Formats: sequence, C-alpha cells, structure tokens
Amino acid sequence: EAGVAQSPRYKIIEKRQSVAFWCNPISGHATLYWYQQILGQGPKLLIQFQNNGVVDDSQLPKDRFSAERLKGVDSTLKIQPAKLEDSAVYLCASSLGAAGDRSPLHFGNGTRLTVT
Amino acid sequence: SQKIEQNSEALNIQEGKTATLTCNYTNYSPAYLQWYRQDPGRGPVFLLLIRENEKEKRKERLKVTFDTTLKQSLFHITASQPADSATYLCALDGSNSGYALNFGKGTSLLVTP
Repeated sequence: EAGVAQSPRYKIIEKRQSVAFWCNPISGHATLYWYQQILGQGPKLLIQFQNNGVVDDSQLPKDRFSAERLKGVDSTLKIQPAKLEDSAVYLCASSLGAAGDRSPLHFGNGTRLTVT
Repeated sequence: SQKIEQNSEALNIQEGKTATLTCNYTNYSPAYLQWYRQDPGRGPVFLLLIRENEKEKRKERLKVTFDTTLKQSLFHITASQPADSATYLCALDGSNSGYALNFGKGTSLLVTP
C-alpha cells in the first residue's frame, strides 16, 4: 500500500510570512493527525481529524495555525503569520480505525520548516 | 502534569548485545503503550503495541514489557545489529477525547560493529 504522502519536503520562509503543508493519508484511513516535532523532541499533537470532522485541536495555536481535511481525505495545515519558534518538522499521520480505537499510526516523512 | 520520560542519553552498544530502552510515565492510565522507530529525516515507524493487561509482547528480535504498577515499559532488542541504530519513541494514548498518542522524546541507539 502507498504510504502517507506529504509536501513540500522542505520550506524556508521569513517570520511573519505564511506557509501551507499538504498531506494525503493512506487510502481508507479514517483518522488523520498533524504533529509538530521540534529538534530533539518527540512529536507533539496539533490536531486530530476523524473523516472530515475535528476530534481534538486543543493544542493547535489557533491564532496562527489552521487545518482542514477536505472530503475526509487530504488535509492542509497552514501557519499565518509564522514565528521563529515554528521552526520544526510537521508530521502527518493516519490510522485505519476511528479515533479512540488505538490503531497504530502511519507517518509521512514530514515537512521541515525553517523560519528565519 | 502528564510526563513520558525516556533515557535522555544516547545508548551505545556493541553488535550482538541486547539493547534495553526504558520508558517511564506519570499521571497516565494508558490502556495501550506503543513503540516507534525513527530514522533521521524520516517519520516514525510503528514497531509494537502492548495492552495494559499484557505483561510482555514479542516480535522477532524485539520484546516489550509493560508494568502498570511501576508505570514503566522496557523495550529490548536482542542480537542487535548496526541497522538497529535509530531513535526509539515510546507513546501512550493520551487523555484527549480521541485518545491521540503522546510521545516521549525518544532514545537514540547506536549499535557499533
């Protein structure tokens, strides 16, 4: 099966600019996640979708971050305006089951964002 | 507050030896615990899942234990190989409504020939 696809692979922007990341999960996977991984840290959940509905976005900085999952498939994560502390790898993951069934996550290789 | 703690220092071992990685947690009551492997520049890859009522789980050269009394999981790689060199992440189902995984910082393992 094809894995989770993410693009772009790398992005460099200046602070206060905007940026968007795209994710295509594994076909048929109901739940989609966006994680932020700062260098030397473990992934931190930003938002969790089940199909096209938000399950949890309590850790998403909503003043600057937004995310959507169109038609319950692809997802985009946007940052506007970016801050220096947003420099990180943004990982998209999907899982087969519904939110809460604890099925393993399948991760993409992430987008590495550098904010200068 | 909830914490997941993994060995902060890198673990260096010789090929053929058993690597043992530790995951301790506080203020969690996880039903599941998962281990992932992450290579540089790549996303984490799922390795093993263990349920709270399971004491031990094995998969090929990997073994995971889960002690809910000690609030600890141990991850063992037997007969380690240089190809096992990577960062290993412990993850617990969080307390949010969707039980999304919370991850530890990971332990870097280096296996030398």
